[in-house]
Amino acid sequence: DTGVSQNPRHKITKRGQNVTFRCDPISEHNRLYWYRQTLGQGPEFLTYFQNEAQLEKSRLLSDRFSAERPKGSFSTLEIQRTEQGDSAMYLCASSPGQGRTYEQYFGPGTRLTVT
Amino acid sequence: SQKIEQNSEALNIQEGKTATLTCNYTNYSPAYLQWYRQDPGRGPVFLLLIRENEKEKRKERLKVTFDTTLKQSLFHITASQPADSATYLCARPRGSNYQLIWGAGTKLIIKP
Repeated sequence: DTGVSQNPRHKITKRGQNVTFRCDPISEHNRLYWYRQTLGQGPEFLTYFQNEAQLEKSRLLSDRFSAERPKGSFSTLEIQRTEQGDSAMYLCASSPGQGRTYEQYFGPGTRLTVT
Repeated sequence: SQKIEQNSEALNIQEGKTATLTCNYTNYSPAYLQWYRQDPGRGPVFLLLIRENEKEKRKERLKVTFDTTLKQSLFHITASQPADSATYLCARPRGSNYQLIWGAGTKLIIKP
């Protein structure tokens, strides 16, 4: 399967703990996005990478959130000192880096539950 | 600010009929609009992109329109099937960058 993969698929953690999620994009895609989605809502943009450079970061992203994409391949999203409000589905997407190709290809998501 | 509005109520359609979903946007017209399908517990799947200068786009049983006067896009599924049941999301770019603003989606239910 050459689609976008995310790990883990589910994560249950206690409030105050740190969590890290991984995303492996489609191999030839230069752009990588992280979103958060809660029930009944559309995806909410968190951050965006062009290769290894983090080009955009949502103002909604507090200092507890950080993302990296070393070497422009896989990416990690870390949430420090988790809060119950962080419970959501975290989605990763990738898209090609050339031409007028704007469609995004999503992974299955990581569902985070903070107790 | 830029917003995408979709009907939050579920749309129930009889199998074989045409389903029509609405996406309204605010502020200036975007360079393009995208439509995605999302099944429960899964990530969205890209369906169609329509550019500002295109009035209509088709793909198999799917048709999308873009009306810059009404600030609206319509998404049609003809000859609907129960397998078309899902939530359909509309998205627009924020400005000229690749960040997307998403609607909340409309849940479509096709009854046999």
